[in-house]
Amino acid sequence: DSGVTQTPKHLITATGQRVTLRCSPRSGDLSVYWYQQSLDQGLQFLIQYYNGEERAKGNILERFSAQQFPDLHSELNLSSLELGDSALYFCASSARVGGTQYFGPGTRLLVL
Amino acid sequence: AQSVTQLDSQVPVFEEAPVELRCNYSSSVSVYLFWYVQYPNQGLQLLLKYLSGSTLVKGINGFEAEFNKSQTSFHLRKPSVHISDTAEYFCAVTLHAGNNRKLIWGLGTSLAVNP
Repeated sequence: DSGVTQTPKHLITATGQRVTLRCSPRSGDLSVYWYQQSLDQGLQFLIQYYNGEERAKGNILERFSAQQFPDLHSELNLSSLELGDSALYFCASSARVGGTQYFGPGTRLLVL
Repeated sequence: AQSVTQLDSQVPVFEEAPVELRCNYSSSVSVYLFWYVQYPNQGLQLLLKYLSGSTLVKGINGFEAEFNKSQTSFHLRKPSVHISDTAEYFCAVTLHAGNNRKLIWGLGTSLAVNP
């Protein structure tokens, strides 16, 4: 158990819909990262937050957005969902920028 | 720009045999190096990391990796694998310093341990 929690574990929705994935970092960690893992694209870094502020952006689509709240939990919002958005979405946290990342168990999203 | 190359996408091996999963990186500055493991239907778990000091790093489950600066490699090894080591293994690198120290990931190596 890494100490990073993600909800929900599974999510099934339809194309065009919007979903919100939630992540709670390890106690004391200020940095949160979001990743997408799919069979055809592997592990893709989406976005990073540090203490509430966006710190780095990766291959995140404009339909996707994220934020980190004052209590340090983070949410990833996925809108106008497409079939290709079906993937595992991981959250990770670290104590500081560039620190060791600890991963949550992931949210498996299926878009039908 | 930094990049990470995992030279083998799939490595089949028999139980109790030794294994080496290869990872090379490119960077003009000092880096931190990581190996993560992802067991089937699970999240990623830190296996080991190199930050500084001894170039031979020992991790969980009997794995170790050696940092070779001249060859810019960080190969993962285990002298005798078990069926339970079947998993996806990811190598990652991040810079020592700078404002944008995000992890750069390899594409992963799928280790299949057969009886």
